[in-house]
Amino acid sequence: NAGVTQTPKFQVLKTGQSMTLQCAQDMNHEYMSWYRQDPGMGLRLIHYSVGAGITDQGEVPNGYNVSRSTTEDFPLRLLSAAPSQTSVYFCASSGGWGTYYGYTFGSGTRLTVV
Amino acid sequence: DAKTTQPTSMDCAEGRAANLPCNHSTISGNEYVYWYRQIHSQGPQYIIHGLKNNETNEMASLIITEDRKSSTLILPHATLRDTAVYYCIVKTNNDMRFGAGTRLTVKP
Repeated sequence: NAGVTQTPKFQVLKTGQSMTLQCAQDMNHEYMSWYRQDPGMGLRLIHYSVGAGITDQGEVPNGYNVSRSTTEDFPLRLLSAAPSQTSVYFCASSGGWGTYYGYTFGSGTRLTVV
Repeated sequence: DAKTTQPTSMDCAEGRAANLPCNHSTISGNEYVYWYRQIHSQGPQYIIHGLKNNETNEMASLIITEDRKSSTLILPHATLRDTAVYYCIVKTNNDMRFGAGTRLTVKP
């Protein structure tokens, strides 16, 4: 049981480049989300999805796109990378949505934009 | 949204109980209190959660006051590996918002 798998673990981008951060879970979880964590700070919610075909914005959605075509996968796309997007990105999943369900997190993708 | 207040940092001697407080005075009746921790720069790890009753699992105990305005996470016998940032979160539907947390340092 792999849980939540994020790829790549590390990435360096040049300003203006695009890329997709991958997130996959094998727990048949309905809910998935993306967070970013800047140095010395807590996690901030970027986007989330309560099921295949449904996505919504979190606290800091600008500059990021998401889609949810399958239950297992929830990729995060950076269309035109900026240095302000240098951060550690975490994907999380949950068995349901609502106040009761806790999250399982991936190990993170460390992104540097130069 | 209910928000939480935690001390910025705490120290604890190895082998002693670590008691981490959290205030959540605006919590609503159906909102759960969650505790996560983050070791180094790893992904946050779930510890425990509760609604209004005290909870215990293999990692920790959670004590919630009767008015639900505050809670305490207890690590009964802290080890050096418990050094981490501990987050107290009140979850509102789809929103799990992380504050700055408490940096717990367990000292030999």
